[in-house]
Amino acid sequence: EPEVTQTPSHQVTQMGQEVILRCVPISNHLYFYWYRQILGQKVEFLVSFYNNEISEKSEIFDDQFSVERPDGSNFTLKIRSTKLEDSAMYFCASYQALQETQYFGPGTRLLVL
Amino acid sequence: EDQVTQSPEALRLQEGESSSLNCSYTVSGLRGLFWYRQDPGKGPEFLFTLYSAGEEKEKERLKATLTKKESFLHITAPKPEDSATYLCAVQGGAAGNKLTFGGGTRVLVKP
Repeated sequence: EPEVTQTPSHQVTQMGQEVILRCVPISNHLYFYWYRQILGQKVEFLVSFYNNEISEKSEIFDDQFSVERPDGSNFTLKIRSTKLEDSAMYFCASYQALQETQYFGPGTRLLVL
Repeated sequence: EDQVTQSPEALRLQEGESSSLNCSYTVSGLRGLFWYRQDPGKGPEFLFTLYSAGEEKEKERLKATLTKKESFLHITAPKPEDSATYLCAVQGGAAGNKLTFGGGTRVLVKP
């Protein structure tokens, strides 16, 4: 069964450093998302991406964040200058068409020291 | 703004003791209500999608129902392997395609 994959599974970084989180969505999916979950809190939306551009973003997704689909398979989230409060699980999700299920990857646990 | 509230926050059950989880929502034009299961340190795993009031979906010991204001996830005769956090999320028409999640219900099934 096709699945969303994410790398790395864990990332530890120093405050102020840049990190890139990688995702490989399910191959025939067209809509891509990033969500995050701070420990003990709700899963919260960051950004959606369709047709090579951002279609929606949340207040959290400020100028420190960017997304890219550098090739036909990868989808990346970059945080330019990490802050302590960026520590969270980051989930990539994808789906094929509107009103269909979003499938989530296993997540990247980011710890900013 | 879409809002989702789940109750209870935590539920301890004996194996075989059936129970229900609640998901109350407010949304502008519901396009879909989703139930996911999340194990510790893992990503949400899809269970069900419900689109309109009155709809029901079943999978093994789980059954999801939907009204205009809330959804229930019924767990019948649970087993220890049903222990997980169950997440409810809505996709609203006015909020693009993003999912808005509730806080989840942590279910522990003891043998």
